Amino acid sequence: QVQLVESGGGLAKPGGSLRLSCAVSGIYFSDYYMSWIRQVPGKGLEWVSYISDNGITIKYADSVKGRFTISRDNAKKSLYLQINSLRAEDTAVYYCASTAYLGEVYYFDYWGQGTLVTVSS
Amino acid sequence: DIQMTQSPSSLSASVGDRVTITCRASQNIRTFLNWYQQRPGKAPKLLIYAASSLQSGVPSRFGGSGSGTDFILTISSLQPEDFATYYCQHSYSTPLTFGGGTKVDIK
Repeated sequence: QVQLVESGGGLAKPGGSLRLSCAVSGIYFSDYYMSWIRQVPGKGLEWVSYISDNGITIKYADSVKGRFTISRDNAKKSLYLQINSLRAEDTAVYYCASTAYLGEVYYFDYWGQGTLVTVSS
Repeated sequence: DIQMTQSPSSLSASVGDRVTITCRASQNIRTFLNWYQQRPGKAPKLLIYAASSLQSGVPSRFGGSGSGTDFILTISSLQPEDFATYYCQHSYSTPLTFGGGTKVDIK
């Protein structure tokens, strides 16, 4: 079955860095766009970034542009999110999601269980 | 940026009820609209993509409709496992924004 497993979350100080990883199995990873979506506990969902199947097309939310870097390794079937210059408002559960596309429609068809990032001094 | 507005933000319903949730986009997004269900403590789950296409494995009591700026998620007969929060999300352009969510709880 399809599995997406995030890791790398934890407690970090403001201004610090973290690298999140997402290991994927059960889908042909190289065919999929991939995304990161975050959720402040008790609040709604916020799309953070996506990367195309070949890694060439990358988009970010304005709130993370310049601080977050998405990347992937198709050989390892893994997705990454480098988070720098952490702020308190980055505290959230971070989900990775496979991102299918049908013509021009994109949708998040499989999700991981999430990894919690807490930014606090 | 395209804003997505869901209504109501919460509702109470009974098992067997027909439930409708609306989602309005701040501009025309054609049918680039998806719906997700999130149960407490769990990751979101895709229900509907492209406004009306049912994701594989999702029960047929879930249905989606609409185009342009106004969309509806319908649950034809609410089941106990359907008590959850529902989110719409557009994919017309980046940023890919979500609605604020609609929490469905037990009356």
